[in-house]
Amino acid sequence: DIQMTQSPSSLSASVGDRVTITCRASQNINNYVNWYQQKPGKAPKLLIFAASTLQSGVPSRFSGSGFGTDFTLTINSLPPEDFATYYCQQSYMTPYTFGQGTKVEIK
Amino acid sequence: QVQLQESGPGLVKPSETLSLTCAVSGGSISSDYWWSWVRQFPGEGLEWIGEFFHTGTPNYNPSLKSRVTVSVDRAKNQFSLNLTSVTAADTAVYYCARGRYKDFFHYMDVWGKGTTVTVSS
Repeated sequence: DIQMTQSPSSLSASVGDRVTITCRASQNINNYVNWYQQKPGKAPKLLIFAASTLQSGVPSRFSGSGFGTDFTLTINSLPPEDFATYYCQQSYMTPYTFGQGTKVEIK
Repeated sequence: QVQLQESGPGLVKPSETLSLTCAVSGGSISSDYWWSWVRQFPGEGLEWIGEFFHTGTPNYNPSLKSRVTVSVDRAKNQFSLNLTSVTAADTAVYYCARGRYKDFFHYMDVWGKGTTVTVSS
């Protein structure tokens, strides 16, 4: 299986900060990466697919980049509603696998 | 707008079979999407269980393949998950989700709210 490793596991940020989360795949996966946001007690919500394509309805403060094995999710000007846990997921091959998550907390 | 809703028992005894159903509303299960099950363990890790296309053979996670079956009921517009011989390690929140392809890229864009399953005697 392809391992997805996120860093950091958690981070503290302030409203208005720019936040960057990284995800590393255990092998080349081209740009077959999706990013999800999850709030407590809720299902994951798709933010970005194909590493950099914003899902319809997702605010433009979210952006994704990367190719091969290294990927990043960036949130510009963090608003209060974006304090949540973020997961990367590879769709290069089944079984699809997820990173362990990055929890973004209020500083 | 498509909505998914999981249902099933919240408590299952060890060695028994976990059975869940996902009802699809606002769209047809026979449309060009993949229908998936994903679970989330108490430590918050996510695991893809498997998926199927309404006209094809299901894809299962090899780690669960010997115990899992996904089936579809087109008349009721729902699909189901059966997981046999459960243990405490199968305790999780179970989500159903809709998968789709765009230019060869697969992603899950609609999720149910999830249902908690505890395996305990």
